[in-house]
Amino acid sequence: EVQLLESGGGLVQTGGSLRLSCTASGFTFSNFGMSWVRQAPGKGLDWVSVISKSGGFPYYYADSVKGRFIISRDNSKNTLYLQMNSLRDEDTAIYYCAKSSHLDVWGQGTTVIVSS
Amino acid sequence: DVVMTQSPLSLPVTLGQPASISCRSSESLLSSDGNTYLHWFQQRPGQSPRRLIYRVSNRDSGVPDRFSGSGSGTDFTLKISRMEAEDVGVYYCMQGTHWPRTFGQGTKVEIK
Repeated sequence: EVQLLESGGGLVQTGGSLRLSCTASGFTFSNFGMSWVRQAPGKGLDWVSVISKSGGFPYYYADSVKGRFIISRDNSKNTLYLQMNSLRDEDTAIYYCAKSSHLDVWGQGTTVIVSS
Repeated sequence: DVVMTQSPLSLPVTLGQPASISCRSSESLLSSDGNTYLHWFQQRPGQSPRRLIYRVSNRDSGVPDRFSGSGSGTDFTLKISRMEAEDVGVYYCMQGTHWPRTFGQGTKVEIK
């Protein structure tokens, strides 16, 4: 069974940093691109970033996080990461990782709260 | 960025009756590879989203056949042939042709 398990969320001060992780199982992780999507409280889905199966280009970011967030992966550990820097209040959300750039499987999400 | 516009945003449906959600994109979703990357997602209350339909009309594994997708270019539709209680939730379309990926606003489907 394909599973994605996010971790690393929490409460962080405005301007702070946080690194999210997503551990994959049940499929060959290195064969698929991976994505991050977020959902602010009571709001809709907001695409964040995608990374290729190798970890190199292509990778893309939403304009709202470009220059602040860095997506990466370690195929030896079947793990996807999202390094979030210069966090803003509006980054408060549930962060989901999802398999492929077409989001065919989602994790349960990890909650990030940014507050001054 | 490609703007995805769903309608209606709220949809009360009687159990056993059909439901239909429209999704329109500001640009054609026909890719240079000949595929149209328009997907539909369901988010039940308190749950993570899950993909229901990929590339306009293909049901994901385990999705009941009462769900169907259609459309082309910039105009797409998700249909539920007979509403069941477990179908309550928010439905999103998403385009996977252009960068960045973009979602519709979501349509909240509830029991009438």
